[in-house]
Amino acid sequence: NAGVTQTPKFQVLKTGQSMTLQCAQDMNHNSMYWYRQDPGMGLRLIYYSASEGTTDKGEVPNGYNVSRLNKREFSLRLESAAPSQTSVYFCASSGPLGDEQFFGPGTRLTVL
Amino acid sequence: RKEVEQDPGPFNVPEGATVAFNCTYSNSASQSFFWYRQDCRKEPKLLMSVYSSGNEDGRFTAQLNRASQYISLLIRDSKLSDSATYLCAALSNDYKLSFGAGTTVTVRA
Repeated sequence: NAGVTQTPKFQVLKTGQSMTLQCAQDMNHNSMYWYRQDPGMGLRLIYYSASEGTTDKGEVPNGYNVSRLNKREFSLRLESAAPSQTSVYFCASSGPLGDEQFFGPGTRLTVL
Repeated sequence: RKEVEQDPGPFNVPEGATVAFNCTYSNSASQSFFWYRQDCRKEPKLLMSVYSSGNEDGRFTAQLNRASQYISLLIRDSKLSDSATYLCAALSNDYKLSFGAGTTVTVRA
């Protein structure tokens, strides 16, 4: 089992460019999450999906969109990247109660 | 005020020592708590779940104090490999985790 996979691992964008971060899990989990991690701030929830076809905003959703393509895949899109979006992005999945989340390896994004 | 707060440390301890640190949470309705371990430039990995008063797993003990709204993690007989950042998380009633910023532990030879 691969667990939670993310692509790409690293990305550099210029301000205003767009990109999609991909996430997939093979644990048959209902719930999937996107977090960003910044120094001193901990993990902050951007969006989550409790089940296929549903998505909800987290703590810091501005500037992002998500798609729950199917049960396995949950993508995060930056339509017009800004330097404030420079961060490490983690995708996670869990069972329906949201506990015991499993994380992907992360995407390190730099916006110039 | 953040929902979950942690002393960032660093806690610098010799091998074999015991180290303990706390995490406070503000949402009194939180029922479940978690300790994650995060190595440098890696993803967080679940270390321990705390659903009642506490949990023990080998050298690691987590205690929950609902009256004072904090969770502690104690590491006995520290190993060099215990050097990491430890993240505390609290589960809200809408099934979302709130994370603290982490406590850094460095175990020296």
